Amino acid sequence: AQKVTQAQTEISVVEKEDVTLDCVYETRDTTYYLFWYKQPPSGELVFLIRRNSFDEQNEISGRYSWNFQKSTSSFNFTITASQVVDSAVYFCALCKQNTDKLIFGTGTRLQVFP
Amino acid sequence: EPEVTQTPSHQVTQMGQEVILRCVPISNHLYFYWYRQILGQKVEFLVSFYNNEISEKSEIFDDQFSVERPDGSNFTLKIRSTKLEDSAMYFCASSPRAGGFSGNTIYFGEGSWLTVV
Repeated sequence: AQKVTQAQTEISVVEKEDVTLDCVYETRDTTYYLFWYKQPPSGELVFLIRRNSFDEQNEISGRYSWNFQKSTSSFNFTITASQVVDSAVYFCALCKQNTDKLIFGTGTRLQVFP
Repeated sequence: EPEVTQTPSHQVTQMGQEVILRCVPISNHLYFYWYRQILGQKVEFLVSFYNNEISEKSEIFDDQFSVERPDGSNFTLKIRSTKLEDSAMYFCASSPRAGGFSGNTIYFGEGSWLTVV
């Protein structure tokens, strides 16, 4: 069975701090896809990144970076120099091959205080 | 930037009433989805739709639910007889190709809040 665990329910930081959101997944498939979505207070789900299981290269996009480690089944997300606008719920999700179904974690609520 | 649009943004309905939630996916996308999020909980897959038929559905998507693409642009979710536990945010999403087949990005709309009273 596939499962995504985001053990951190809520994280609070002060602006400019770095913060890492953890994501651990379970799957028996060798081919799968991992996603991060942001859900700001307005409620929509905003796509951040997609990674396939064969690409373990870490990715950096501005203040955002992702660390994918198959050995530990983790796909962690780091925000550098956090800003108040980063305050949101962040969801990690897994999609196995040959299916359309995204399996979401329970989300991590990030609050960035000025 | 193209986006998935949903209407209504919020609907309050009485238990037992039928509800139709509407979505306009991104125009060149071929795969359509509905997800739901009960308040404070995780987002859950309901159904995927391709080539005018359901390609996959979850155990949540029982006989009370149906989906339709009545014309070339709209994609609807109908709940036949709403229950209190149907209260949730319903997200429509679309993808140019199957998310699982090629890891395509699945784009979500802003959601429709359904409150059943």
